[in-house]
Amino acid sequence: GAGVSQSPSNKVTEKGKDVELRCDPISGHTALYWYRQSLGQGLEFLIYFQGNSAPDKSGLPSDRFSAERTGGSVSTLTIQRTQQEDSAVYLCASSLALGGNQPQHFGDGTRLSIL
Amino acid sequence: AQSVSQHNHHVILSEAASLELGCNYSYGGTVNLFWYVQYPGQHLQLLLKYFSGDPLVKGIKGFEAEFIKSKFSFNLRKPSVQWSDTAEYFCAVSLTGGGNKLTFGTGTQLKVEL
Repeated sequence: GAGVSQSPSNKVTEKGKDVELRCDPISGHTALYWYRQSLGQGLEFLIYFQGNSAPDKSGLPSDRFSAERTGGSVSTLTIQRTQQEDSAVYLCASSLALGGNQPQHFGDGTRLSIL
Repeated sequence: AQSVSQHNHHVILSEAASLELGCNYSYGGTVNLFWYVQYPGQHLQLLLKYFSGDPLVKGIKGFEAEFIKSKFSFNLRKPSVQWSDTAEYFCAVSLTGGGNKLTFGTGTQLKVEL
């Protein structure tokens, strides 16, 4: 079956521009997560959504980062006024539910490069 | 805050050698433990997981891991590696009741030579 789908796969943009990254989770998965994978920091949690509950935004590095999930399915991660330190691979994952015993399934990621 | 340590950053082995990758975490509560693998050019995939019960868990492709609570460790093992095991391996932890967000180790790059 279809896995987690992320677009674009690569994004190059100039410093100061806004970017939007998209994630389409596995059908039926109610929990959705965003992580960032960068050379200096490894894999870091950013935000997760579970159903209609308020998202856990505790991992977002600054107020330039925001995310939404419309209709309980597709999610968009937005980075405003991008900086060079935002360059990283942004990974999306989904799971059947929020419980700790639900493994997360990852997408291929979006490689973001800020010039 | 919880943290995960993977002490081996790069490991090079010959085919048929045994593998053990270390993972230690710092948290005294109830945790869920995972090993993920990322093959070249592919997305992260779950190798195995531990939630409760038997501390020796078996995963895909002949991998296993042992949870030793007293040592806060969850080391990954494989008796005989293959060239196709060349990949990056990540240990991860989530807190029971903590919303399932994963804290990852820095990863271990494994290269298996023929």
